[in-house]
Amino acid sequence: QVQLVESGGGLVKPGGSLRLSCAASGFTFSDYYMSWIRQAPGKGLEWVSYISSSGSTIYYADSVKGRFTISRDNAKNSLYLQMNSLRAEDTAVYYCARLPSYFDYWGQGTLVTVSS
Amino acid sequence: EIVMTQSPATLSVSPGERATLSCRASQSVSSNLAWYQQKPGQAPRLLIYGASTRATGIPARFSGSGSGTEFTLTISSLQSEDFAVYYCQQYNNWPSLTFGGGTKVEIK
Repeated sequence: QVQLVESGGGLVKPGGSLRLSCAASGFTFSDYYMSWIRQAPGKGLEWVSYISSSGSTIYYADSVKGRFTISRDNAKNSLYLQMNSLRAEDTAVYYCARLPSYFDYWGQGTLVTVSS
Repeated sequence: EIVMTQSPATLSVSPGERATLSCRASQSVSSNLAWYQQKPGQAPRLLIYGASTRATGIPARFSGSGSGTEFTLTISSLQSEDFAVYYCQQYNNWPSLTFGGGTKVEIK
């Protein structure tokens, strides 16, 4: 069965950096686009970024462009999100999701808290 | 960017009753619309894609309809496990994949 497991969240000071990982299993990872979506406490869902199956096509939401970098390692069945220059408004649960066109499988999420 | 607007924000329904949730797009998204269910402390789960196709394992009491700018998610007879927040999401206008603000279905 499809499994997505995020890790790497935690408490970081404003201006700091964090790298999230998502380990995928149960499907051919290299066949699928993958994405990060976040959810601020008590708020709705916000798409953050996605990456094509080969890694050649990448897009970001305007809110994170220039600060976040998505990447993948198909040999390790893993997706990453490098987050730099973090702000208080980046505080959220970050989910990775498989993206055939819609988000068909989601991980359980990892919490990122940006606070001094 | 396409703005997705869901209504109502909160829907109070008794178990066994029908629930009708609405989602409106600021411009046409054809049938490229998905619905998700999220329970407290859990990740969202895909319910419907292509506006009306149930995802794997989703009970038949969930149905989706609509195209263009107006969409509806109907839960024909609410079960206790259906009380949750529901989100719509358009995937017609890449690269920006936008969600609605959500509808909370609560017990009346």
